[in-house]
Amino acid sequence: QQQVKQSPQSLIVQKGGISIINCAYENTAFDYFPWYQQFPGKGPALLIAIRPDVSEKKEGRFTISFNKSAKQFSLHIMDSQPGDSATYFCAASRETSGSRLTFGEGTQLTVNP
Amino acid sequence: GAGVSQSPSNKVTEKGKDVELRCDPISGHTALYWYRQSLGQGLEFLIYFQGNSAPDKSGLPSDRFSAERTGGSVSTLTIQRTQQEDSAVYLCASSRGRSTEAFFGQGTRLTVV
Repeated sequence: QQQVKQSPQSLIVQKGGISIINCAYENTAFDYFPWYQQFPGKGPALLIAIRPDVSEKKEGRFTISFNKSAKQFSLHIMDSQPGDSATYFCAASRETSGSRLTFGEGTQLTVNP
Repeated sequence: GAGVSQSPSNKVTEKGKDVELRCDPISGHTALYWYRQSLGQGLEFLIYFQGNSAPDKSGLPSDRFSAERTGGSVSTLTIQRTQQEDSAVYLCASSRGRSTEAFFGQGTRLTVV
């Protein structure tokens, strides 16, 4: 119940294209869903997060779509750029109880110029 | 400092030796996590400290691994009798109480030879 499943494992997109990464969870008590971005040699950094009271959140080229009934959420990167090439992790937690973050397995995104 | 600080940044040790990895979280952050990341892999949860609560040690892979957090601040991850499979990047993260945005350090790259 604590697992968060992420797909695909790797993704190659052309510059200007849309990158889509999907995550699914089992624990209906989860109420906080962040996405982290990690560049080689660096620690992951928070990119964008959503809570289940909304179905979509957009920040610049990055959008999270959230489907509570399906227990799924996804990250969309519009107009993907080579600088977006990184590993992306979804995560989930029960924020109200201060529980730890549970991370997905990660997606290695490559944006070709 | 402004961010999570980990030391050392790199550590090479001989098989069978003990190592200590240090994490200085962001001041005032009550939650602290340790994760392990093998080359090109995801984030393997190790241990989670939240305030004065008993730590969640469910991710520690064996009794050779232990961690403590002194005074609710600095944390030390200790690996006894290191094995080659312990080679990985060890990441520390911290977050405020109810806000679960986790800020990661740069990690300690451990190599066991």
